Amino acid sequence: ELKVEQNPLFLSMQEGKNYTIYCNYSTTSDRLYWYRQDPGKSLESLFVLLSNGAVKQEGRLMASLDTKARLSTLHITAAVHDLSATYFCAVDNQLAGTSYGKLTFGQGTILTVHP
Amino acid sequence: EAGVAQSPRYKIIEKRQSVAFWCNPISGHATLYWYQQILGQGPKLLIQFQNNGVVDDSQLPKDRFSAERLKGVDSTLKIQPAKLEDSAVYLCASSSIQGSGQPQHFGDGTRLSIL
Repeated sequence: ELKVEQNPLFLSMQEGKNYTIYCNYSTTSDRLYWYRQDPGKSLESLFVLLSNGAVKQEGRLMASLDTKARLSTLHITAAVHDLSATYFCAVDNQLAGTSYGKLTFGQGTILTVHP
Repeated sequence: EAGVAQSPRYKIIEKRQSVAFWCNPISGHATLYWYQQILGQGPKLLIQFQNNGVVDDSQLPKDRFSAERLKGVDSTLKIQPAKLEDSAVYLCASSSIQGSGQPQHFGDGTRLSIL
């Protein structure tokens, strides 16, 4: 059974600081997704990582994937208040290299950015 | 492009009653997913459809939950009878092609409260 673990689960940051959220998963997969969820809202897709070594950047966020280590990171650069939200990673359950689109989500990291 | 539509947004029922949720995916999206998101957790996949066929329902509590997508477009998820532990947000998502690596697009969800 695929397990996905994020850490930290809670992150309180000052504006302007940098930090990294980690997503570890237990079985082979080379497809990983990052989502953002604001309170009371649905999930918004941030990044799609489809191969080992993939790196994607958008604004102050950068995501990477290391399939050998079964690890993805979401790096936040010079945080601003608007980044306050819950961030989820989700891993595609793959069978023999075939993707079925069945995602297993991590527990989520609640990020709060304060002045 | 219109997003994933869900209704109702909120539902309050008593335990042992029944409830149904409706989802209309993004036009042209063949794959549809229902997730359960309990407060403070990541979404958990309940059932995945490809057109009008079930791809995976291994995590659907079949003694009380049922789902259908008869014409391969919109879908309904039903709970009968509801239990207290079913209190959650029920999210519907869709994607263009199963396993394509495209992100899943989520609706706003139905927040279910069981009294």
